[in-house]
Amino acid sequence: QKEVEQNSGPLSVPEGAIASLNCTYSDRVSQSFFWYRQYSGKSPELIMSIYSNGDKEDGRFTAQLNKASQYVSLLIRDSQPSDSATYLCAVLNYGGSQGNLIFGKGTKLSVKP
Amino acid sequence: NAGVTQTPKFQVLKTGQSMTLQCAQDMNHNSMYWYRQDPGMGLRLIYYSASEGTTDKGEVPNGYNVSRLNKREFSLRLESAAPSQTSVYFCASSEQGTANYGYTFGSGTRLTVV
Repeated sequence: QKEVEQNSGPLSVPEGAIASLNCTYSDRVSQSFFWYRQYSGKSPELIMSIYSNGDKEDGRFTAQLNKASQYVSLLIRDSQPSDSATYLCAVLNYGGSQGNLIFGKGTKLSVKP
Repeated sequence: NAGVTQTPKFQVLKTGQSMTLQCAQDMNHNSMYWYRQDPGMGLRLIYYSASEGTTDKGEVPNGYNVSRLNKREFSLRLESAAPSQTSVYFCASSEQGTANYGYTFGSGTRLTVV
């Protein structure tokens, strides 16, 4: 069974700090990785995708991928109270006729003013 | 631009009743998916459809059936609802049939089976 593991949290950081969210995955051949943000009572929304080793930056968000260690992370710089949400890590799984995403259980982030 | 539309948003069923959850996307995506989300369990794939006319089982298909009616619509049916099917159900779609570009999710259906 292919797995995606995340620390459930809650992770609490003060406003303006860097929040670091981590994810490990079991399938060594995985090539595509995604971070979703989910506010309470809402649907997940895609915030970052990463396909190559290294860092990918988009505004205050940086995704980091290390395929050798089977590790992907999300850094949120200058954290704001509006960043308080559950962050889901997802890995593309190729099975059957096409791919689908396997999700971790999510890390709940709380940014304190 | 509606994206992915799910109906209904809320539903209460009695054990043994049946119902169909509807999902439609207007982004011309090939692939569509049904997930359920339970506290502590994360998002689990129920069924997916790579393209019109094809469907495949996911991780938790028991008790569900699906129909890919056309490229836009993908419905999920509970034939005889059970309390264990109380959950939040999300429909999603993706480009190009490989999910390489991630999913767009609908707003969800909150189902309670009593």
